[in-house]
Amino acid sequence: AQTVTQSQPEMSVQEAETVTLSCTYDTSENNYYLFWYKQPPSRQMILVIRQEAYKQQNATENRFSVNFQKAAKSFSLKISDSQLGDTAMYFCAFVLNAGGTSYGKLTFGQGTILTVHP
Amino acid sequence: GAGVSQSPSNKVTEKGKDVELRCDPISGHTALYWYRQSLGQGLEFLIYFQGNSAPDKSGLPSDRFSAERTGGSVSTLTIQRTQQEDSAVYLCASTTLGDDTEAFFGQGTRLTVV
Repeated sequence: AQTVTQSQPEMSVQEAETVTLSCTYDTSENNYYLFWYKQPPSRQMILVIRQEAYKQQNATENRFSVNFQKAAKSFSLKISDSQLGDTAMYFCAFVLNAGGTSYGKLTFGQGTILTVHP
Repeated sequence: GAGVSQSPSNKVTEKGKDVELRCDPISGHTALYWYRQSLGQGLEFLIYFQGNSAPDKSGLPSDRFSAERTGGSVSTLTIQRTQQEDSAVYLCASTTLGDDTEAFFGQGTRLTVV
Protein backbone atom coordinates (compact mmCIF):
# COMPACT_ATOMS: atom_id res chain seq x y z
CA ALA A 1 0.00 0.00 0.00
CA GLN A 2 1.07 3.54 -0.66
CA THR A 3 1.19 6.30 1.95
CA VAL A 4 1.67 10.04 1.61
CA THR A 5 2.73 12.25 4.48
CA GLN A 6 2.59 16.03 4.77
CA SER A 7 4.20 17.03 8.04
CA GLN A 8 3.27 20.71 7.96
CA PRO A 9 -0.37 21.25 8.97
CA GLU A 10 -0.09 25.01 8.45
CA MET A 11 2.32 27.40 6.76
CA SER A 12 2.31 31.13 6.22
CA VAL A 13 4.24 33.44 3.93
CA GLN A 14 4.36 37.11 3.07
CA GLU A 15 3.14 38.20 -0.32
CA ALA A 16 5.91 38.09 -2.98
CA GLU A 17 8.07 35.74 -0.92
CA THR A 18 8.87 32.06 -1.52
CA VAL A 19 7.51 29.13 0.44
CA THR A 20 8.19 25.39 0.28
CA LEU A 21 5.66 22.72 1.23
CA SER A 22 6.97 19.28 2.14
CA CYS A 23 5.71 15.85 1.14
CA THR A 24 7.11 12.37 1.57
CA TYR A 25 5.65 9.13 0.32
CA ASP A 26 6.20 5.44 0.62
CA THR A 27 5.84 2.86 -2.12
CA SER A 28 7.57 -0.25 -3.35
CA GLU A 29 6.52 0.50 -6.93
CA ASN A 30 8.67 2.16 -9.53
CA ASN A 31 6.18 3.60 -11.99
CA TYR A 32 3.92 6.28 -10.60
CA TYR A 33 2.86 9.91 -10.73
CA LEU A 34 2.95 12.58 -8.05
CA PHE A 35 0.73 15.64 -7.87
CA TRP A 36 0.11 18.78 -5.91
CA TYR A 37 -3.51 19.85 -5.72
CA LYS A 38 -4.81 23.16 -4.40
CA GLN A 39 -8.14 23.39 -2.58
CA PRO A 40 -9.38 26.94 -1.97
CA PRO A 41 -12.40 27.66 0.26
CA SER A 42 -14.65 26.91 -2.71
CA ARG A 43 -13.64 23.23 -2.20
CA GLN A 44 -12.74 22.88 -5.90
CA MET A 45 -9.62 20.73 -6.16
CA ILE A 46 -7.30 22.24 -8.74
CA LEU A 47 -4.25 20.50 -10.16
CA VAL A 48 -1.17 22.66 -9.57
CA ILE A 49 1.63 20.49 -10.90
CA ARG A 50 2.46 16.86 -11.66
CA GLN A 51 5.60 14.78 -11.89
CA GLU A 52 6.19 11.48 -13.64
CA ALA A 53 8.42 9.26 -11.52
CA TYR A 54 10.48 8.14 -14.50
CA LYS A 55 11.47 11.72 -15.30
CA GLN A 56 14.50 13.04 -13.45
CA GLN A 57 13.83 16.63 -14.40
CA ASN A 58 11.77 18.54 -11.84
CA ALA A 59 8.43 19.80 -13.10
CA THR A 60 7.79 23.54 -13.31
CA GLU A 61 4.58 25.48 -13.93
CA ASN A 62 5.08 29.23 -13.85
CA ARG A 63 5.61 30.19 -10.18
CA PHE A 64 5.28 26.58 -9.02
CA SER A 65 8.09 24.05 -9.08
CA VAL A 66 8.86 20.79 -7.39
CA ASN A 67 11.94 19.18 -5.90
CA PHE A 68 11.53 15.48 -6.67
CA GLN A 69 13.97 13.20 -4.88
CA LYS A 70 13.00 9.68 -5.93
CA ALA A 71 15.52 7.83 -3.78
CA ALA A 72 14.47 9.78 -0.72
CA LYS A 73 10.78 9.55 -1.72
CA SER A 74 10.39 13.26 -1.26
CA PHE A 75 8.29 15.64 -3.36
CA SER A 76 8.25 19.24 -2.16
CA LEU A 77 6.42 22.16 -3.75
CA LYS A 78 8.02 25.57 -4.06
CA ILE A 79 5.82 28.59 -4.65
CA SER A 80 7.72 31.67 -5.77
CA ASP A 81 6.44 35.26 -5.67
CA SER A 82 3.51 34.18 -3.47
CA GLN A 83 0.19 35.84 -4.19
CA LEU A 84 -2.89 36.34 -2.03
CA GLY A 85 -4.78 33.98 -4.34
CA ASP A 86 -2.40 31.19 -3.40
CA THR A 87 -4.08 30.98 0.01
CA ALA A 88 -5.59 27.50 0.13
CA MET A 89 -5.09 23.98 1.38
CA TYR A 90 -2.50 22.08 -0.62
CA PHE A 91 -2.53 18.32 -1.01
CA CYS A 92 0.24 16.07 -2.19
CA ALA A 93 -1.05 12.98 -3.98
CA PHE A 94 0.26 9.75 -5.49
CA VAL A 95 -1.11 7.44 -8.17
CA LEU A 96 0.29 4.21 -9.53
CA ASN A 97 0.70 3.94 -13.27
CA ALA A 98 -0.27 0.32 -13.24
CA GLY A 99 -3.82 0.12 -14.57
CA GLY A 100 -5.86 -2.75 -13.24
CA THR A 101 -8.59 -2.58 -10.65
CA SER A 102 -7.19 0.47 -8.88
CA TYR A 103 -6.54 2.49 -11.99
CA GLY A 104 -6.08 6.16 -11.27
CA LYS A 105 -6.84 5.84 -7.56
CA LEU A 106 -5.22 8.77 -5.78
CA THR A 107 -3.66 8.52 -2.33
CA PHE A 108 -3.56 11.90 -0.61
CA GLY A 109 -1.56 13.43 2.19
CA GLN A 110 -3.28 15.17 5.08
CA GLY A 111 -2.90 18.61 3.52
CA THR A 112 -1.11 21.84 4.40
CA ILE A 113 -3.05 25.05 4.94
CA LEU A 114 -1.10 27.88 3.32
CA THR A 115 -1.90 31.48 4.20
CA VAL A 116 -0.38 34.31 2.19
CA HIS A 117 -0.27 37.58 4.12
CA PRO A 118 -0.31 41.01 2.44
CA GLY B 1 -20.63 19.34 -19.36
CA ALA B 2 -17.75 21.73 -18.90
CA GLY B 3 -16.73 20.30 -15.56
CA VAL B 4 -17.65 17.74 -12.94
CA SER B 5 -20.94 18.68 -11.34
CA GLN B 6 -22.07 17.53 -7.91
CA SER B 7 -25.39 18.00 -6.18
CA PRO B 8 -26.49 19.03 -3.72
CA SER B 9 -23.76 21.42 -2.70
CA ASN B 10 -24.74 21.13 0.92
CA LYS B 11 -26.97 18.64 2.69
CA VAL B 12 -28.11 18.58 6.29
CA THR B 13 -29.86 15.42 7.38
CA GLU B 14 -31.05 13.85 10.57
CA LYS B 15 -29.28 10.86 12.01
CA GLY B 16 -30.80 7.66 10.71
CA LYS B 17 -32.07 9.09 7.42
CA ASP B 18 -30.84 8.00 3.99
CA VAL B 19 -29.12 10.43 1.62
CA GLU B 20 -28.20 10.37 -2.04
CA LEU B 21 -25.32 12.35 -3.47
CA ARG B 22 -25.05 12.87 -7.20
CA CYS B 23 -22.05 13.25 -9.50
CA ASP B 24 -22.21 14.19 -13.16
CA PRO B 25 -18.72 13.69 -14.67
CA ILE B 26 -17.17 15.39 -17.64
CA SER B 27 -18.69 14.06 -20.84
CA GLY B 28 -16.61 11.22 -22.25
CA HIS B 29 -14.75 10.47 -19.04
CA THR B 30 -14.98 6.75 -18.46
CA ALA B 31 -13.41 6.61 -15.00
CA LEU B 32 -15.17 8.07 -11.96
CA TYR B 33 -14.03 8.19 -8.35
CA TRP B 34 -15.64 9.08 -5.04
CA TYR B 35 -13.55 10.43 -2.18
CA ARG B 36 -14.43 11.54 1.33
CA GLN B 37 -12.81 14.47 3.10
CA SER B 38 -13.45 14.61 6.83
CA LEU B 39 -12.79 17.80 8.77
CA GLY B 40 -9.09 18.55 8.84
CA GLN B 41 -8.24 15.34 7.01
CA GLY B 42 -6.96 14.46 3.60
CA LEU B 43 -9.10 12.76 1.03
CA GLU B 44 -9.80 9.07 1.42
CA PHE B 45 -10.77 6.91 -1.54
CA LEU B 46 -14.22 5.34 -1.47
CA ILE B 47 -14.96 3.71 -4.84
CA TYR B 48 -13.83 3.65 -8.47
CA PHE B 49 -16.02 3.13 -11.52
CA GLN B 50 -14.86 2.15 -14.99
CA GLY B 51 -17.92 2.61 -17.14
CA ASN B 52 -20.82 1.21 -15.13
CA SER B 53 -18.80 -1.35 -13.21
CA ALA B 54 -16.95 -0.79 -9.95
CA PRO B 55 -13.74 -2.84 -9.93
CA ASP B 56 -12.57 -1.22 -6.70
CA LYS B 57 -14.98 -0.66 -3.81
CA SER B 58 -12.35 -1.13 -1.17
CA GLY B 59 -12.78 2.29 0.41
CA LEU B 60 -16.47 2.07 1.25
CA PRO B 61 -16.43 2.26 5.07
CA SER B 62 -19.47 0.08 5.77
CA ASP B 63 -22.39 -1.67 4.11
CA ARG B 64 -24.45 1.46 4.70
CA PHE B 65 -22.54 2.99 1.79
CA SER B 66 -23.29 2.04 -1.80
CA ALA B 67 -22.84 3.62 -5.20
CA GLU B 68 -23.97 3.05 -8.72
CA ARG B 69 -23.30 4.49 -12.11
CA THR B 70 -25.69 4.33 -15.02
CA GLY B 71 -25.14 4.88 -18.72
CA GLY B 72 -21.45 5.31 -18.08
CA SER B 73 -22.19 8.80 -16.85
CA VAL B 74 -24.00 9.96 -13.71
CA SER B 75 -23.12 8.31 -10.42
CA THR B 76 -25.05 8.26 -7.17
CA LEU B 77 -23.52 7.63 -3.75
CA THR B 78 -26.10 6.48 -1.22
CA ILE B 79 -25.62 6.47 2.52
CA GLN B 80 -28.26 4.61 4.48
CA ARG B 81 -29.10 5.20 8.13
CA THR B 82 -26.68 8.11 8.35
CA GLN B 83 -24.51 8.52 11.43
CA GLN B 84 -22.78 11.63 12.75
CA GLU B 85 -19.40 10.25 11.71
CA ASP B 86 -20.61 10.32 8.10
CA SER B 87 -20.43 14.13 8.22
CA ALA B 88 -17.80 15.13 5.65
CA VAL B 89 -17.30 16.59 2.20
CA TYR B 90 -17.85 13.99 -0.50
CA LEU B 91 -15.86 14.71 -3.64
CA CYS B 92 -16.26 13.15 -7.05
CA ALA B 93 -13.58 13.08 -9.75
CA SER B 94 -13.43 11.84 -13.32
CA THR B 95 -10.74 11.13 -15.86
CA THR B 96 -10.41 9.67 -19.31
CA LEU B 97 -9.01 6.19 -19.71
CA GLY B 98 -6.24 7.45 -21.92
CA ASP B 99 -5.08 10.19 -19.59
CA ASP B 100 -4.23 8.79 -16.23
CA THR B 101 -2.39 11.79 -15.00
CA GLU B 102 -5.07 14.30 -14.11
CA ALA B 103 -8.33 13.85 -12.26
CA PHE B 104 -10.94 16.58 -12.55
CA PHE B 105 -12.87 17.19 -9.36
CA GLY B 106 -16.31 18.52 -8.60
CA GLN B 107 -16.90 21.02 -5.82
CA GLY B 108 -18.16 18.34 -3.51
CA THR B 109 -21.19 17.85 -1.32
CA ARG B 110 -20.85 18.91 2.30
CA LEU B 111 -22.92 16.45 4.31
CA THR B 112 -23.85 17.31 7.87
CA VAL B 113 -25.61 14.71 9.99
CA VAL B 114 -27.37 16.18 13.02
